[in-house]
Amino acid sequence: SQTIHQWPATLVQPVGSPLSLECTVEGTSNPNLYWYRQAAGRGLQLLFYSVGIGQISSEVPQNLSASRPQDRQFILSSKKLLLSDSGFYLCAWSSPPSAVFGPGTRLTVL
Amino acid sequence: GENVEQHPSTLSVQEGDSAVIKCTYSDSASNYFPWYKQELGKGPQLIIDIRSNVGEKKDQRIAVTLNKTAKHFSLHITETQPEDSAVYFCAARNNNNDMRFGAGTRLTVKP
Repeated sequence: SQTIHQWPATLVQPVGSPLSLECTVEGTSNPNLYWYRQAAGRGLQLLFYSVGIGQISSEVPQNLSASRPQDRQFILSSKKLLLSDSGFYLCAWSSPPSAVFGPGTRLTVL
Repeated sequence: GENVEQHPSTLSVQEGDSAVIKCTYSDSASNYFPWYKQELGKGPQLIIDIRSNVGEKKDQRIAVTLNKTAKHFSLHITETQPEDSAVYFCAARNNNNDMRFGAGTRLTVKP
């Protein structure tokens, strides 16, 4: 079966610290992968998407970056977190017939 | 690329009433339209979907309609219950397997 994992589930980080969120998928190959951010009470903001290993497209300019070192691994990173980076981060994959979301990571930057 | 717009952003209904959420898309090549329900603190979960060769699909109290000519699709929830309260997202996927989401609708069902 197809499953998607994200970790950590929650994270509290100080401003200026680095970030690494990991997403892995099982049960599929060569999926399109996405990182979304959801601010409190807001919709899904697409941050990055990837159609294959090493292929990353950025939707919005920001201090975040993404990498896809393996087919089923997608990583969201930052060298220095900002207060505005707080939010709920969701990884998702689009593979027929639908998209599947991970459980999310709640990031609080203090 | 695809652009999906969703309305309304918030919707409040009385228990037992119907709720309708509408989405429009821009890419005429989009051929798959899922709807997701997100409960508090969780990732969105697929609740129903429709393909471009179908105009309407129903599953118990929820139904989706698709108008390919107008490039819009809608989610209908009948006999709403308090547990239907959540954020709902529509999405559209094209032939390149690129899926884009609407901004979401926060539905509140008042008992």
